[in-house]
Amino acid sequence: AQSVAQPEDQVNVAEGNPLTVKCTYSVSGNPYLFWYVQYPNRGLQFLLKYITGDNLVKGSYGFEAEFNKSQTSFHLKKPSALVSDSALYFCAVRDIWMDSSYKLIFGSGTRLLVRP
Amino acid sequence: DGGITQSPKYLFRKEGQNVTLSCEQNLNHDAMYWYRQDPGQGLRLIYYSQIVNDFQKGDIAEGYSVSREKKESFPLTVTSAQKNPTAFYLCASSSGEEGQPQHFGDGTRLSIL
Repeated sequence: AQSVAQPEDQVNVAEGNPLTVKCTYSVSGNPYLFWYVQYPNRGLQFLLKYITGDNLVKGSYGFEAEFNKSQTSFHLKKPSALVSDSALYFCAVRDIWMDSSYKLIFGSGTRLLVRP
Repeated sequence: DGGITQSPKYLFRKEGQNVTLSCEQNLNHDAMYWYRQDPGQGLRLIYYSQIVNDFQKGDIAEGYSVSREKKESFPLTVTSAQKNPTAFYLCASSSGEEGQPQHFGDGTRLSIL
C-alpha cells in the first residue's frame, strides 16, 4: 500500500532563513507526489507536484521540492522564509484503487512557524 | 472565477439529527471527494465520485452518505449513526486524469450541540 510520512509535527525557522519541510514516501511503481498548504480555517492549496522529469520541482509562492528516489523523499524547500509562510503543510502521494480511480493519501501535516 | 464552494462554513448538529453539507464546483471536474480532518491526523477520505450517478466508499464511510445527481454537486450527509462527527470537512474535485491535483473548498466545521 502507498504511504507518506511527515516526520516533524512542527518546523520553526527565522524569517529570511531557508526552510525545509520533510516528506518520505513508500509506493509501488512510479511515485506521483504533491505538496499542499493550509491556512487556518481554509481548504488546502496546491503548491507543486512531481510526476516525472527533473528532480527539482518549482511551485507557487517561491516553494520548490526535491525528489530523491534513493532516499524515497520529497522535501519541500524555500530559500528565504516569510512570516506569511506560517501554515500547515501536507505531503501527498497518489494511490490507484481497484476500480482504477485515483486518490491521494496525505501525510499527517507539518506546522511551519516563521518568526520575525 | 472557477472554484469549489462549501456551505455552510459552520454547522451545529443536535443528537440524533442528520445534517447535510453542501459542495458545489464550477471547474467542470468529473471527480469529487469528501475528506474529514481531525487535529494531528491529516485528511481521511470519506467518499469519492469519479462520475455522475456513481460514488464509492473511502476509508471512513460509516455514518456518512452522499449523492451525485449532478456533475457540479456532491453533498455529504452526516447521519445520526456517526457518533463522533465533530471535525472539519473538506470537499475537493479534480479532472480525474492521472497526475492532476485536487482542488479544495474552504471547508465546513461541524460541531455537536
